[in-house]
Amino acid sequence: AQSVTQPDIHITVSEGASLELRCNYSYGATPYLFWYVQSPGQGLQLLLKYFSGDTLVQGIKGFEAEFKRSQSSFNLRKPSVHWSDAAEYFCAVGEKAGTALIFGKGTTLSVSS
Amino acid sequence: DAGVIQSPRHEVTEMGQEVTLRCKPISGHDYLFWYRQTMMRGLELLIYFNNNVPIDDSGMPEDRFSAKMPNASFSTLKIQPSEPRDSAVYFCASRVTGTGFQGYTFGSGTRLTVV
Repeated sequence: AQSVTQPDIHITVSEGASLELRCNYSYGATPYLFWYVQSPGQGLQLLLKYFSGDTLVQGIKGFEAEFKRSQSSFNLRKPSVHWSDAAEYFCAVGEKAGTALIFGKGTTLSVSS
Repeated sequence: DAGVIQSPRHEVTEMGQEVTLRCKPISGHDYLFWYRQTMMRGLELLIYFNNNVPIDDSGMPEDRFSAKMPNASFSTLKIQPSEPRDSAVYFCASRVTGTGFQGYTFGSGTRLTVV
């Protein structure tokens, strides 16, 4: 069965500092991988996705993520965090032939000034 | 495009009462998903539909929960009777075949509080 682990429940980063949010997945075949962001009281917005090809993918708002098959990881990065990036971030995995996404429990990002 | 519309945004009810959450997917989308978000369990898939037919309801926690999709533009998630542990944010999402996961759009959620 698919599963997603986000080891960090809460991270605090200083504004302007770099960010890396961790995500590990469990899936037998090549997964479809996603990062979503949720602002308070809002739904989930897609940041980026990986299906195949280049293992470094670029997303919206300056985010990027790298797929590492050997580590079963899909970590999210941003070189310089802005206060507006404070939100909850979810990693998700989907089956190639399936239709439903399985989410990790999320990482809450706080940005300090 | 109005996006996925959920109602109500907030619901407070007493234990034992029936609760009905509503979702209007994006027009033309043929998949609809219901998720529940809690602090302890994160985002859990409850059930999803394809062309109004339930495909996988293995995530529905128990018989008190039921979901229907009478037509392509409307779905309901019902809890009867409600219990305090059902308090959570319930999200609906939709997508259209052929877009893979690229067209997965979430509603703003319904925050349910059972007292």
